Amino acid sequence: DAGVIQSPRHEVTEMGQEVTLRCKPISGHNSLFWYRQTMMRGLELLIYFNNNVPIDDSGMPEDRFSAKMPNASFSTLKIQPSEPRDSAVYFCASSSRGEQFFGPGTRLTVL
Amino acid sequence: KNQVEQSPQSLIILEGKNCTLQCNYTVSPFSNLRWYKQDTGRGPVSLTIMTFSENTKSNGRYTATLDADTKQSSLHITASQLSDSASYICVVSPPEAGNQFYFGTGTSLTVIP
Repeated sequence: DAGVIQSPRHEVTEMGQEVTLRCKPISGHNSLFWYRQTMMRGLELLIYFNNNVPIDDSGMPEDRFSAKMPNASFSTLKIQPSEPRDSAVYFCASSSRGEQFFGPGTRLTVL
Repeated sequence: KNQVEQSPQSLIILEGKNCTLQCNYTVSPFSNLRWYKQDTGRGPVSLTIMTFSENTKSNGRYTATLDADTKQSSLHITASQLSDSASYICVVSPPEAGNQFYFGTGTSLTVIP
């Protein structure tokens, strides 16, 4: 298995633009998580899905952030409009029976 | 206030030496405590996972201990190697919130030759 796959690996955009981050979880895993990591705040859970259904989105910072999981093998995290303070590394992780496996992350820079 | 505090923030040690990283938490009760290793530019990788009833767990040169009474955990690295240079993150999960996790801000370890 290739592990959790995220794309793009790096994204540079201008303030106000829409950004879409993509994640393919490990096949067979029934939970998927989106995290944001910054130097100041460390890792923060944004949202997680169980069997493609959003369970807890209390970590989503504001309405500009949205996440979808249309099927068991794909999820997106969208930021619209993006702001400079959204600059961070965004990780996707999937799990089965509690153990989480993280993807390589997407480094987002909003200018 | 962060419910998981790690110390030190950063640490530099010589190759071959041992070191111990600390994690203090206030999450109570909790289901399990994890230690992750995060190499620069990569996602975290699980090192150990302990339930509240366990007090030690080893993974090669890594040994995690847990004292549920004092709400402290430590990660001991034996005979450090250059490849141990990474951030180490402590994560605590309460039992009632599904997959809710509380993350420490990590300890940055640098092993020098």
